[in-house]
Amino acid sequence: QKEVEQNSGPLSVPEGAIASLNCTYSDRGSQSFFWYRQYSGKSPELIMFIYSNGDKEDGRFTAQLNKASQYVSLLIRDSQPSDSATYLCAVNPPTGNQFYFGTGTSLTVIP
Amino acid sequence: NAGVMQNPRHLVRRRGQEARLRCSPMKGHSHVYWYRQLPEEGLKFMVYLQKENIIDESGMPKERFSAEFPKEGPSILRIQQVVRGDSAAYFCASSQSGGGSGNTIYFGEGSWLTVV
Repeated sequence: QKEVEQNSGPLSVPEGAIASLNCTYSDRGSQSFFWYRQYSGKSPELIMFIYSNGDKEDGRFTAQLNKASQYVSLLIRDSQPSDSATYLCAVNPPTGNQFYFGTGTSLTVIP
Repeated sequence: NAGVMQNPRHLVRRRGQEARLRCSPMKGHSHVYWYRQLPEEGLKFMVYLQKENIIDESGMPKERFSAEFPKEGPSILRIQQVVRGDSAAYFCASSQSGGGSGNTIYFGEGSWLTVV
C-alpha cells in the first residue's frame, strides 16, 4: 500500500466551479498534511498545510482533514484557468523524516 | 534571494559521465531533502540530510548515487556513470527542522538532467 494515494485524474471543471481534490494516507499517526501545486515544468509550490481535524480556509482554498478516515481534501472555489495544474498531497508521518507525496491529480479548469 | 537555490537548472550529460547537482537551502533552514521526478510521475524521496549528516537515504539507489551536505557550502547530489534512465527533474527542498515536527518544506526550482 502506498503511503499517500491520489486519484491521478484528469479532473476537469468549468471556470467558476468548485474543484475537489482528494487524498488518502496509510499512516494513522500522521500529523502534518500539505497541498502543493505544480505547473508543468515547474517545481511544487506550497498552497496549504493542515494539522488539525476539520477545515482550514485560505482565500479560495479550503483544506479538509479527517484523521479518523485518513482523508485529506482540497477544495478550490471559483476555479480559474490559472488553477490548471497538478496538485500534490504530502504527508509527514510522525515516525519518519520523509515527506511522502502522492502522484498528484491533474486539474484542468475550462474557460 | 531567500528561497531554495538549485543549480544548474538544466544539465546535459553523455552516458557514463558524472552529474553534480547543487542545492543551497532557504536562509535559516538546516534540513535538506532531495526528490526525483520522472516524466509524468510523482515525486520520489531520495535522501534527507542535515549539515554533515545523512539522516535518511532510504530512497537513494544503491549504486552510483551519493549525497552530501558539508558544514560549509551547498548540498550536492552526485550521480556517477549516468544512464538514460537517470534523466529526470531533481528537486531539492529545505525545512527549518526535520520531519515529524510540523514543519513545512519548500522546494527549489529544480535541476533537469538529460542523459544523451
